[in-house]
Amino acid sequence: GAVVSQHPSRVICKSGTSVKIECRSLDFQATTMFWYRQFPKKSLMLMATSNEGSKATYEQGVEKDKFLINHASLTLSTLTVTSAHPEDSSFYICSAGRLAGEQYFGPGTRLTVT
Amino acid sequence: TQLLEQSPQFLSIQEGENLTVYCNSSSVFSSLQWYRQEPGEGPVLLVTVVTGGEVKKLKRLTFQFGDARKDSSLHITAAQPGDTGLYLCSGEYGNKLVFGAGTILRVKS
Repeated sequence: GAVVSQHPSRVICKSGTSVKIECRSLDFQATTMFWYRQFPKKSLMLMATSNEGSKATYEQGVEKDKFLINHASLTLSTLTVTSAHPEDSSFYICSAGRLAGEQYFGPGTRLTVT
Repeated sequence: TQLLEQSPQFLSIQEGENLTVYCNSSSVFSSLQWYRQEPGEGPVLLVTVVTGGEVKKLKRLTFQFGDARKDSSLHITAAQPGDTGLYLCSGEYGNKLVFGAGTILRVKS
């Protein structure tokens, strides 16, 4: 199957700082990528749809100024958590796929804000 | 209300037992997917079902898509500890994936 990488896999940051997470599709081009947040033992919660060359589409309740998304190329999307707070601590996962109904997920990024 | 209702939410069984996970909706889906996720990792696609009434087998896993394409099931035969994980069903809805709430499966040896 297709490979999607995420970096970093784990990050600890201090409250008030910003953190950037990268999502790369390694063997195919993705005009659309998705960013999810996942709480322990829960399903995935879609945060936003990242569109190459245009603005991201955010789900209701997700602050676009808080979670900045940049999809600068067909293989790279980044999520920046700005002015992070402890409540932003979570598992963040990206996905990409040739078909919207069949997504390949990155390994996830564990963010801990102290 | 979730678009995809998944049940049960949690399942703890002994090695060798059989189990079934259900994914139901009142909406018709062009396809449904099943994913398995282990702690600290991203979900891995297991299967996509497309045709109403379709049955797909993946070793000890059997996936069914309902005739009306509103529901799907995942049956595991002779479960093993390696089957432990979070199972998610999903479907495409308006150009993005919607997910069920997930089923946490724990298989004890």
